[in-house]
Amino acid sequence: DIQMTQTPSSLSAFVGDRVTITCRASQTISKHLNWYLQKPGKAPSLLIYAASNLQSGVSPRFSGSGSGAEFTLTINSLQPEDFATYFCQQSYSFPSTFGQGTSLEIK
Amino acid sequence: QVQLQESGPGLVKPSETLSLTCTVSGGSVSGNNYYWNWIRQPPGKGLEWIAYIHYSGDTNYIASLKSRVNISIDTSKNQISLKLSSVTAADTAIYYCARDSSSFDAFDMWGQGTRVIVSS
Repeated sequence: DIQMTQTPSSLSAFVGDRVTITCRASQTISKHLNWYLQKPGKAPSLLIYAASNLQSGVSPRFSGSGSGAEFTLTINSLQPEDFATYFCQQSYSFPSTFGQGTSLEIK
Repeated sequence: QVQLQESGPGLVKPSETLSLTCTVSGGSVSGNNYYWNWIRQPPGKGLEWIAYIHYSGDTNYIASLKSRVNISIDTSKNQISLKLSSVTAADTAIYYCARDSSSFDAFDMWGQGTRVIVSS
């Protein structure tokens, strides 16, 4: 199975900050990388698919980049509703696997 | 707007079989571009994909659970079901139903999840 490693595992930031979360795959996955946001007590929701494509309805403050084995999620001008947990997921090979999550907290 | 709604027993005794249902509204489970998945999240932990099914009958399971899990689809009821046998405390989790769309190659729709506790 492909292992997905997110860094950092937790992050504190101020409203208005720009933050970056990194996701590394244990092998190359081309651009088969998706990002999800999960708010407490809620299901995950898709933010970005295929590494850099913004899901419909998602704020353009979110952006994704990368290919191969290293990917980043960047959030510009943090808003209060952005403080949540973020997961990456590879859809390159079976079984699909997720990163362990990055918890983004208000400083 | 497609919606997914999971339902389940809430509490299951060790060694018993867990049965979960995902009801899809606002769309059909028979869409050729969709795979229907079960994903779980143990308390305070990350996400683990369990199984998928296509309305054609194509299925696949995570290796670690393959001997205990079965996924099925009822196109007449627009439902996807999951059965997990011989449960233990390690199966305690929130279980999510999620749609995998070939348009995105990602889980683009999720249910709200159903919490399952395995305890005697």
